[in-house]
Amino acid sequence: QKEVEQNSGPLSVPEGAIASLNCTYSDRGSQSFFWYRQYSGKSPELIMFIYSNGDKEDGRFTAQLNKASQYVSLLIRDSQPSDSATYLCAVTGSARQLTFGSGTQLTVLP
Amino acid sequence: EAGVTQFPSHSVIEKGQTVTLRCDPISGHDNLYWYRRVMGKEIKFLLHFVKESKQDESGMPNNRFLAERTGGTYSTLKVQPAELEDSGVYFCASSQDQARPSDTQYFGPGTRLTVL
Repeated sequence: QKEVEQNSGPLSVPEGAIASLNCTYSDRGSQSFFWYRQYSGKSPELIMFIYSNGDKEDGRFTAQLNKASQYVSLLIRDSQPSDSATYLCAVTGSARQLTFGSGTQLTVLP
Repeated sequence: EAGVTQFPSHSVIEKGQTVTLRCDPISGHDNLYWYRRVMGKEIKFLLHFVKESKQDESGMPNNRFLAERTGGTYSTLKVQPAELEDSGVYFCASSQDQARPSDTQYFGPGTRLTVL
């Protein structure tokens, strides 16, 4: 079982729709959860982090964390073609290194 | 403020040769991480420096890999001798304060290493 699992996609949504990206993790000791966006050939760029149960909103992005279910998600409202990228879920525990999922490729269709 | 920089951006070497990758973290960031993404796989942790000390090197694949961070500023990652399976993209990241749960790691552009 992978430590961090994501649907690899590809996920396609029309422009203006809500994109929903999901991630599960196996280590119950995980403390912080991060969503990175990576354009092809570029470095991962932080979108959001969350470490408390519930929702956290930042502009068009909402991260949701449910530690009991070991589940974290990212919602992108009013999706734009510029949101097309690979979205990486990553977690940290007491050791501060990031453990990444394999990423979900998102395409927003104009 | 300058971001994390890495050099070179690409390196193509033959099996058995030596390659040294360099990472310059964001100024003032004590934490420096090396990660690697090999073809088709997820990004994997290699090691973590706090200032000049190795905090965690549990992800280093074998003793052909040597990382240093003399003076607690930039870091180098040397692969000697390189093998075919070392090909991939090597990312460096830095962060300010690992004690905070919200501590954010900022990634450099990566070095794409190809071993022929």
